[in-house]
Amino acid sequence: DIQMTQSPSSLSASVGDRVTITCRASQGMSNYLAWYQQKPGKAPKLLIYAASTLQSGVPSRFSGSGSGTDFTLTISSLQSEDVATYYCQRYNSAPYTFGQGTKLEIK
Amino acid sequence: QITLKESGPALVKPTQTLTLTCTFSGFSLNTNKVGVGWFRQPPGKALEWLALVYWDDDKRYRPSLKSRLTITKDTSENQVVLTVTNMDPEDTATYYCAHRSDLLWLYWGQGTLVTVSS
Repeated sequence: DIQMTQSPSSLSASVGDRVTITCRASQGMSNYLAWYQQKPGKAPKLLIYAASTLQSGVPSRFSGSGSGTDFTLTISSLQSEDVATYYCQRYNSAPYTFGQGTKLEIK
Repeated sequence: QITLKESGPALVKPTQTLTLTCTFSGFSLNTNKVGVGWFRQPPGKALEWLALVYWDDDKRYRPSLKSRLTITKDTSENQVVLTVTNMDPEDTATYYCAHRSDLLWLYWGQGTLVTVSS
């Protein structure tokens, strides 16, 4: 099974900063890579799918890129409401593996 | 509007069987390529996928837990049930159900916390 590894595991940044989170697959995969945002006590929210397609209603400051084994989530200008844990997930076939998460805080 | 809601016991004892129900609205599990799945998240830890049932009753399970999991659907009641046998304290988690369509997990329930303790 393909394993997903995120880095960093936690991140502190200032409002307005550009933030990048990386997800690495243990072997090459198709672009069926999704990013989720999860706030405390809430269900995950789909932000990006197909590695780079923004889900409807998600602010344009979120973007995704990558292919093969290396994928990236970028927040172009961090806002206070972006405080959350972010997960990557391969979603095309079972098992639908998540990364271990990146906890994002405001400095 | 698609909604899902999990229900089940908040507390189970070790070795018991957990039965969780996902009751949904706004879609039908008779629709081509639609599925409902279950996920869990131990306190302070990452999400993990558990099981999935498709509209045609095709089922998928997390390999490491396959022997303990059973997922079934009741299309007439708009429900999907997950059973987990031989519960252990390590199975303490918030359990979520989610809607799958066009390969995406877009709609999620609010989650239900299950604690395993004697």
